[in-house]
Amino acid sequence: GAGVSQSPSNKVTEKGKDVELRCDPISGHTALYWYRQSLGQGLEFLIYFQGNSAPDKSGLPSDRFSAERTGGSVSTLTIQRTQQEDSAVYLCASSLGQPVVELFFGEGSRLTVL
Amino acid sequence: EDQVTQSPEALRLQEGESSSLNCSYTVSGLRGLFWYRQDPGKGPEFLFTLYSAGEEKEKERLKATLTKKESFLHITAPKPEDSATYLCAVHVSGNTPLVFGKGTRLSVIA
Repeated sequence: GAGVSQSPSNKVTEKGKDVELRCDPISGHTALYWYRQSLGQGLEFLIYFQGNSAPDKSGLPSDRFSAERTGGSVSTLTIQRTQQEDSAVYLCASSLGQPVVELFFGEGSRLTVL
Repeated sequence: EDQVTQSPEALRLQEGESSSLNCSYTVSGLRGLFWYRQDPGKGPEFLFTLYSAGEEKEKERLKATLTKKESFLHITAPKPEDSATYLCAVHVSGNTPLVFGKGTRLSVIA
């Protein structure tokens, strides 16, 4: 596609529910990243994919968070049993891969947990 | 621990009033420093990559410079449309992800 596409753009959920956030990267980009941006905070790294494998999962905040990528393209970030502190904007980015070149970001998915 | 600190947190300028934003870093082996612009409700948009001390890059009213300890984003004669949050990020080594600062929120008043 022309750019990184994320859905949904906004999601309001109740505490304890599971949510799935989707990212469709730029065609041909082998690397895909998930970041989280909370109000007044910088971008917090969550997980990185090279192809379908995730060499670096070090940023996932807890075992309630998981992510997968299939076909070297679309990625899904899943948050189970959501908590209020999970409220944030979840940003996906893709790049041509290593060595790191510029990341191209999507518009983000704003998650609000009530 | 690799750290990126941006200052000031917020900056308010009159249209035409030039200024600079700072990004200081403490990392073990810089592979690249990135500047992004982020508008409200949008994802960050890539501006520049700098790789070595002494390097400079320009785009319209923006110029980014790099030393061994910090980077500056100089804004010359800003316009209201330059209002945004400017983010700095570093790539340290290997397959490590970009580490971002908290950003500088710039407001340019007509």
